[in-house]
Amino acid sequence: AQSVAQPEDQVKVAEGNPLTVKCTYSVSGNPYLFWYVQYPNRGLQFLLKYITGDNLVKGSYGFEAEFNKSQTSFHLKKPSALVSDSALYFCAVRDERTGRRALTFGSGTRLQVQP
Amino acid sequence: GAVVSQHPSRVICKSGTSVKIECRSLDFQATTMFWYRQFPKQSLMLMATSNEGSKATYEQGVEKDKFLINHASLTLSTLTVTSAHPEDSSFYICSARLVRSSYNSPLHFGNGTRLTVT
Repeated sequence: AQSVAQPEDQVKVAEGNPLTVKCTYSVSGNPYLFWYVQYPNRGLQFLLKYITGDNLVKGSYGFEAEFNKSQTSFHLKKPSALVSDSALYFCAVRDERTGRRALTFGSGTRLQVQP
Repeated sequence: GAVVSQHPSRVICKSGTSVKIECRSLDFQATTMFWYRQFPKQSLMLMATSNEGSKATYEQGVEKDKFLINHASLTLSTLTVTSAHPEDSSFYICSARLVRSSYNSPLHFGNGTRLTVT
């Protein structure tokens, strides 16, 4: 079975500081990993994905994520946080081997960027 | 591109009534749509996978007679919550995959529907 863990319910950072939102995953085959962001009462917006290739992937709004196979992690990062980055962030995985087309989501991490 | 429109954004209904939520792919065709439910401060839980022209596949624990899903065309899937109860109050989100998209393509999400059953 595929699963995703986001160990932090909330992350607080000061504007201008780097941010990291953690994600670890568990799959039986090769993982397809995604990050989404959700603003209040809205659906999810795609940020970035890892399929294969470079372990560091760059996405929308200056976000990037690093795939680490040995640690089964896919942490989301941004060098300099903005107040407008405050939102709910979800890590998701799809297991290449299962053939399951839906994504499995982590529990979400609320990011608060303080001015 | 790849816009998913979900309607209504908010609905309040009385216990025992039924509510229909629509999910439309506006500028692409989607053979598969997914319906998720999100509880407050919790993650998205997959309810069912909706396939155009065939029966939906429901996740374990989801009552198919209570949450009716119809995917009559490549651009429209509907979720009907029948005989709604207060415990059905939640945020429902649909997502769609483009026709012939690769397995690693991201899903496109609607803006969700906040259902409140009084």
